Amino acid sequence: AQSVTQLDSHVSVSEGTPVLLRCNYSSSYSPSLFWYVQHPNKGLQLLLKYTSAATLVKGINGFEAEFKKSETSFHLTKPSAHMSDAAEYFCVVRDTGGGNKLTFGTGTQLKVEL
Amino acid sequence: DAGVTQSPTHLIKTRGQQVTLRCSPISGHKSVSWYQQVLGQGPQFIFQYYEKEERGRGNFPDRFSARQFPNYSSELNVNALLLGDSALYLCASSLVGSGSATNTGELFFGEGSRLTVL
Repeated sequence: AQSVTQLDSHVSVSEGTPVLLRCNYSSSYSPSLFWYVQHPNKGLQLLLKYTSAATLVKGINGFEAEFKKSETSFHLTKPSAHMSDAAEYFCVVRDTGGGNKLTFGTGTQLKVEL
Repeated sequence: DAGVTQSPTHLIKTRGQQVTLRCSPISGHKSVSWYQQVLGQGPQFIFQYYEKEERGRGNFPDRFSARQFPNYSSELNVNALLLGDSALYLCASSLVGSGSATNTGELFFGEGSRLTVL
C-alpha cells in the first residue's frame, strides 16, 4: 500500500522568509504525488502535482516541490512566505490500483508571522 | 465556470438518524469521489463513482452508501449515525475515472458538508 508521511504537524515562519514543508512517500511504483492546501472552512485546492515528468514541479502561488527518488521525498518549498499562505497543507499520493483514490498525509499547519 | 457544489453546507443530526449529502460535479466531469475529514486529520477516501458505477470503496462500514445519477451528480447516505461520524464530508470530481501517463485525473474538491452528530 502507498502512503505519505508529513514530518511536521506545525511549521511557523516569518513573512518574507522561505517555507519548507516536508513529505516522504512509500510506494512500490513510480508514484503520482500532489500537494493540496486547505484554508480555514474551505475545500481543498491543488497546489501542484508530480506525474513522472520533470522532477522539479512548479505550482500556483510561487510554490514548488522536488521529487527525489533516492530520498523518497517530495518536499514543498516557497522562497518567500506571505501572510495569505497560512493554511493546512496536505501531501497526497494516488493509489496505483486504478481509480482516483487519494491517500492524504496528516497535514502540516503553516503559520506565517509578521 | 461553476466548481464542485455540495449541499447542505452545515447540518446537525442526532445519533441514530440518517443523513443524505449531495454533490454536483464540474460540468463535463464524469467521476465523483467522497472523502471524510475528521477534525485535525487528513481526508479519508470513502467512495468513487465513474459513469454511475462504483469504482472504489474505502474502509467504511455498510452504513455508508452512495450513488451517482445520470447527470453525474451524486449522493452520500449515512445511516444510524454515530457521534464519530461528525466530520467534514468532501466531494471531488474529475474528468476521468483514473489517472494515466497522459491524464493525471486531477481531482477538484468542493467546500464540503459539515456534519455534526449530537
